[in-house]
Amino acid sequence: AQTVTQSQPEMSVQEAETVTLSCTYDTSESDYYLFWYKQPPSRQMILVIRQEAYKQQNATENRFSVNFQKAAKSFSLKISDSQLGDAAMYFCAYRSGNTGANSKLTFGKGITLSVRP
Amino acid sequence: NAGVTQTPKFQVLKTGQSMTLQCAQDMNHNSMYWYRQDPGMGLRLIYYSASEGTTDKGEVPNGYNVSRLNKREFSLRLESAAPSQTSVYFCASSLDREDTQYFGPGTRLTVL
Repeated sequence: AQTVTQSQPEMSVQEAETVTLSCTYDTSESDYYLFWYKQPPSRQMILVIRQEAYKQQNATENRFSVNFQKAAKSFSLKISDSQLGDAAMYFCAYRSGNTGANSKLTFGKGITLSVRP
Repeated sequence: NAGVTQTPKFQVLKTGQSMTLQCAQDMNHNSMYWYRQDPGMGLRLIYYSASEGTTDKGEVPNGYNVSRLNKREFSLRLESAAPSQTSVYFCASSLDREDTQYFGPGTRLTVL
């Protein structure tokens, strides 16, 4: 079974600075997808970024980018120029690319990010 | 375009009561999902529907039933609520099984 580990329960960053959130995963599959979701106090789960395992290029979305290390099974999220609105819980998630799988997302336990003004 | 909507937003039940959580999406997605989120944990899949007319169990299906009423709507029913079902429930949808899942705002359920 696949597992996703987020070992840092909390992190803090100064506004305008850069922060990196760590995530590791365990799988025997070669085809899969990785995601970062943001959950602000409103509880809404918001997709931040998505990475396909077959792509070597790291995904980027504006101030958000990932460092995807397939051999190390590591998938970290870098937030540049942090803003107060980035304060939230961030979840790393895995989904199998196997078409016979049930397409469920396997989530880590999340990391709470606070942004200091 | 509202995306994924869920009703109600909050609910308090007594042990043994039943209720149905409603979910609807207006994105013409084929696949829909129900997750639960417990404190200190990520979301876990309860049931999913890969396409209209099909439903399958996820990781934690015990105590729940689902109905894919039509392409837009996917409901989750608790027949006899238990305190262990106190949680936040999220509905999600995706165009197909392989696509990104988009989430509703969640329902906070407390069972006393």
